[in-house]
Amino acid sequence: GAVVSQHPSWVICKSGTSVKIECRSLDFQATTMFWYRQFPKQSLMLMATSNEGSKATYEQGVEKDKFLINHASLTLSTLTVTSAHPEDSSFYICSAPRQGDTEAFFGQGTRLTVV
Amino acid sequence: EDKVVQSPLSLVVHEGDTVTLNCSYEVTNFRSLLWYKQEKKAPTFLFMLTSSGIEKKSGRLSSILDKKELFSILNITATQTGDSAIYLCAVQPSGTYKYIFGTGTRLKVLA
Repeated sequence: GAVVSQHPSWVICKSGTSVKIECRSLDFQATTMFWYRQFPKQSLMLMATSNEGSKATYEQGVEKDKFLINHASLTLSTLTVTSAHPEDSSFYICSAPRQGDTEAFFGQGTRLTVV
Repeated sequence: EDKVVQSPLSLVVHEGDTVTLNCSYEVTNFRSLLWYKQEKKAPTFLFMLTSSGIEKKSGRLSSILDKKELFSILNITATQTGDSAIYLCAVQPSGTYKYIFGTGTRLKVLA
């Protein structure tokens, strides 16, 4: 079946540094991918839609300069958390739909801790 | 504004009990409703519902959708400790693969 791979599964970084999270569709091409964030004991909130070859679409309240999204190929989208702060600590997860399927597939998620 | 509301927020039961989780929604141009189980990491897909009145079953889990009243329920019979998780309901508007998630129901099954 379709697989979406996300890397790393967890990362700890210092305040002020940047962290890059990768989301890959392993056996299909994804022109669109989605990035979600989940704070502890809360639900998944859509952050942005990543579009291959064009700019990402951000949800209201999400800072595009802080959460840089690049979808440079049909199988890879990256989310870079720039100048990370402790409040950015969260679970980040991507999803990608495969043409012909009814639901999107989720990556394994990345737990980010900023210290 | 599109939204999904789940109830209860949390639930504690004993093994063998039956639980019913609720999900109500308001969305423009509904396409489907999905249920996921989330333990430590990524959500695990359970069901996708698109039509009213058709029950989906998988083992001890079942779900049904009411598009007129805009809600869905997820039933778990003969609960086991391994059912302890957060159950997420998500709605997919038509024309997009992005999901609107509910708050989730945190289920704990005691031995």
